[in-house]
Amino acid sequence: GAGVSQSPSNKVTEKGKDVELRCDPISGHTALYWYRQSLGQGLEFLIYFQGNSAPDKSGLPSDRFSAERTGGSVSTLTIQRTQQEDSAVYLCASSRKWGGSYEQYFGPGTRLTVT
Amino acid sequence: DQQVKQNSPSLSVQEGRISILNCDYTNSMFDYFLWYKKYPAEGPTFLISISSIKDKNEDGRFTVFLNKSAKHLSLHIVPSQPGDSAVYFCAAGEGGSQGNLIFGKGTKLSVKP
Repeated sequence: GAGVSQSPSNKVTEKGKDVELRCDPISGHTALYWYRQSLGQGLEFLIYFQGNSAPDKSGLPSDRFSAERTGGSVSTLTIQRTQQEDSAVYLCASSRKWGGSYEQYFGPGTRLTVT
Repeated sequence: DQQVKQNSPSLSVQEGRISILNCDYTNSMFDYFLWYKKYPAEGPTFLISISSIKDKNEDGRFTVFLNKSAKHLSLHIVPSQPGDSAVYFCAAGEGGSQGNLIFGKGTKLSVKP
């Protein structure tokens, strides 16, 4: 079956512009996660969705970041008024259920460059 | 403050020898630990995991050891192969109460033929 897909694979944007990053999780996975990896850093948790429950937004670095998950499937991460420090690889993952013991499957990521 | 630490940014090993990657954590609430492997331009892929009720889990050439009293885990790869060259991330989670994983910064393993 298909894995987690993300689009675009690369995005270059000017400082101050808004960007939208898309994630298609594995079909049937109820949990969806967004992480980002800045240069030389580990993966930084941003937000996760579990079914119809309210998302855990505790990792979002500022109110310029938001995410939604429509119909319990596709998710969009939106960054408003992008800054150069937002440049990173944004990774989406999904798992069959919520919880640290459930393996998370990652997409290939979107490399965002803010100029 | 980092809750999951991988203090070695890189490791170089000869093919056929053992690779040992280390990871330390500070949060005693973590009860599930995972190792992910990442190749360039790809997302991380799950390698092996261990829950806090065990001290060892083995899968083929990969073994993870957990020392809860020291808050330390390690990944052993025996024998190492050139295809194992990748960045390895240690991750930890609270299986019962939290969904997200906390990742270390990764260790870049190079296995030389």
